Formats: sequence, C-alpha cells, structure tokens
Amino acid sequence: DAGVTQSPTHLIKTRGQHVTLRCSPISGHKSVSWYQQVLGQGPQFIFQYYEKEERGRGNFPDRFSARQFPNYSSELNVNALLLGDSALYLCASSRQVVEEKLFFGSGTQLSVL
Amino acid sequence: GENVGLHLPTLSVQEGDNSIINCAYSNSASDYFIWYKQESGKGPQFIIDIRSNMDKRQGQRVTVLLNKTVKHLSLQIAATQPGDSAVYFCAESGNTGNQFYFGTGTSLTVIP
Repeated sequence: DAGVTQSPTHLIKTRGQHVTLRCSPISGHKSVSWYQQVLGQGPQFIFQYYEKEERGRGNFPDRFSARQFPNYSSELNVNALLLGDSALYLCASSRQVVEEKLFFGSGTQLSVL
Repeated sequence: GENVGLHLPTLSVQEGDNSIINCAYSNSASDYFIWYKQESGKGPQFIIDIRSNMDKRQGQRVTVLLNKTVKHLSLQIAATQPGDSAVYFCAESGNTGNQFYFGTGTSLTVIP
C-alpha cells in the first residue's frame, strides 16, 4: 500500500504569491493533519481535518487555510506568502480522529524568495 | 503551546553501543506520546508510542520509558547501528483531536 503522498516535492515562490499544497492519505485513513517544519526545529501543528471537517487549528494566521475532500485527500493553501513561510510542509494521516499515531509524507519544501 | 523539549541537541555513539535520548514535557494532562525518527529529506517515521497508563514499552531494539512524576520520556536504542543516525523527536498529544506537540529534536550520529 502507498504511504502518504504529497505534491509537489519542492516549490519556489516569491513574496505575496499564493501556494497550494496537496496530500493523499494512506488508504483507509480519514484524518489528515498538516505541520510546518522550519529548519532545525520540530514540526508545528497547523490543521487537522477529519471527515471533511476541521478538528483542530494551530497558532497560524488566517493566511493559512485547508480543506479535505470526499476522498479524504487534502489541500493546504497559503496566501500572501512571507519569507518566514519558507519551510518543509508535512502532511500526516491517521485512521482515527484522536490519539493515534501519525503517518507522515515526505513533505513539500517551500522556498519563498 | 506545549513545551516539549529535549535535554541534548546532539548525541554521538559508537556503533554497537546503546543510545539514550531524553525528552521533557510540560503538560501533565498529556496521555499519549510518540517517538519519531527523521532522516534527511524525509518525513518523520514512527518508532514507538506509549500511553500514560504505562511506564515502559518495548519494540524491536527500542524501549520507551515514561516517568509521569517528573514528566520525562526517554528512548533507548540497543546496539545502535549506522542506519540509526537521524534526528529523533518526541511528540506529546495535545488537548484536542489528534494534534501533537513536537520537541526540537536530538541529532544522533553513530560512529562506525
């Protein structure tokens, strides 16, 4: 079975632009979470979606938004990009909505110039 | 946010020795903890987990110890191998959903 897949793997944008990152969870997993990982730090929680509903939101500005589709795939959108948004964006899936191990994809490396 | 931190940012061990990676957490209400391994260019990979009703759990070559009294978590790797070289993160469950708080990470280097 395929693991969590993310696209694109790398992306370069300029300040003020918009970006959309995509994620497909492991088959059978209904929960998708997004994390931001800045170089040298641990992942930081952005969003969790379960059954197409937002179940949690981290301390990120409204420029960050996400959604989950009926097939459980998900998109993360970031508007008005700032230099500080440069990071590795990780998607993770799990079967249940609470207290279950996350399976991570390899991430999308976003560079904002 | 939660304060999940690690005592040592880097650790070097000889191949074949045992490794111990430590982690402190601040939320005494957290009841689920996970250790992840992250290699360069990859996402975090699940190693082992433990719930708060346990104080020890063993996997293949790995053991996690949980001390709720002092809010401390440790990962022990037996007979460390070069393939164990990576950054190791502890993660603590949050108060809602399946949200986790990650520590800064410990970089483990195995010397052949």
